[in-house]
Amino acid sequence: DIVMTQSPDSLAVSLGERVTISCKSSQSVLYTSNTKNYLAWYQQKPGQPPKLLIYWASTRESGVPDRFSGSGSGTDFTLTISSLQAEDVAAYYCQQYLSTPLTFGGGTKVEIK
Amino acid sequence: QVHLVQSGAEVKKPGASVKVSCKASGYTFSRYSMHWVRQAPGERLEWMGWINAGTGNIRYSQKFQDRVTITRDTSASTDYMELSSLRSEDTAIYFCARDYRTMDLSGYFDYWGQGTLLTVSS
Repeated sequence: DIVMTQSPDSLAVSLGERVTISCKSSQSVLYTSNTKNYLAWYQQKPGQPPKLLIYWASTRESGVPDRFSGSGSGTDFTLTISSLQAEDVAAYYCQQYLSTPLTFGGGTKVEIK
Repeated sequence: QVHLVQSGAEVKKPGASVKVSCKASGYTFSRYSMHWVRQAPGERLEWMGWINAGTGNIRYSQKFQDRVTITRDTSASTDYMELSSLRSEDTAIYFCARDYRTMDLSGYFDYWGQGTLLTVSS
C-alpha cells in the first residue's frame, strides 16, 4: 500500500497569511506513461463530507478559489493557500489514486491564529 | 444538481451486519462509478471499495475483502454497502463518493454523500 504522510498535523495562521501543507507518499505517484501525478487534495469542514479541491496534483476543481494551489511531483507535494480566509478553517487531506487501495494522508487542521 | 443521500445512523451489536444505502439524483446514475470511504474517530479517511460503472466490476480493499459487499440497483439509482461481522473498530462515518470520470474510474471523488454514522457497541 502507498502510505501518505502529511505535515504538520495542525497549524494556526493569521488571516491573510500563507498556508503550506506538505504531503509525502511512500512511493512515487507519478505515472511515467502520461507524466501525471495521481494526487488529489480535499477540504473537510466539521460535520461535512470532504470537498475536492485539487486533482492531478495541481489542477484546481471548478469553483475552487484560486488562492488554493497544488504543486509537487513524484513523492513530494504541497497544498498552498495564498491568503487564508476565515472560511478556509478546515482539515485538509491528500489522497493518492495511482493504485489500490486508494489511500489518504492523516490530515492537517488549519485554524486562525 | 447532484445529490447523494445516504441512509440514517445505525447502532449495531458486535457480530451483526449493516447495510448502508446511497441514493443518487441529478445525474445519469449508470454512467458513474461509486466508491465507499469511511472515517473512524481520530483516524484518517479509509477507502473500502468501488463499483465500476463502465464494466460492472467491483473491487474491495483487501482490508475489508472478507466482510464488505457493494451492490448497485440501477433502477433505483442507489448503491449499497454491506459490512458484516461488525466489531467496535468499525464505529465510523461511512461515505459514498462519486468517481469523477464517466463510464470509467479516475480514483478521485467529486461528490460525496452526507455520511452515515455507524456505532458498534454491545
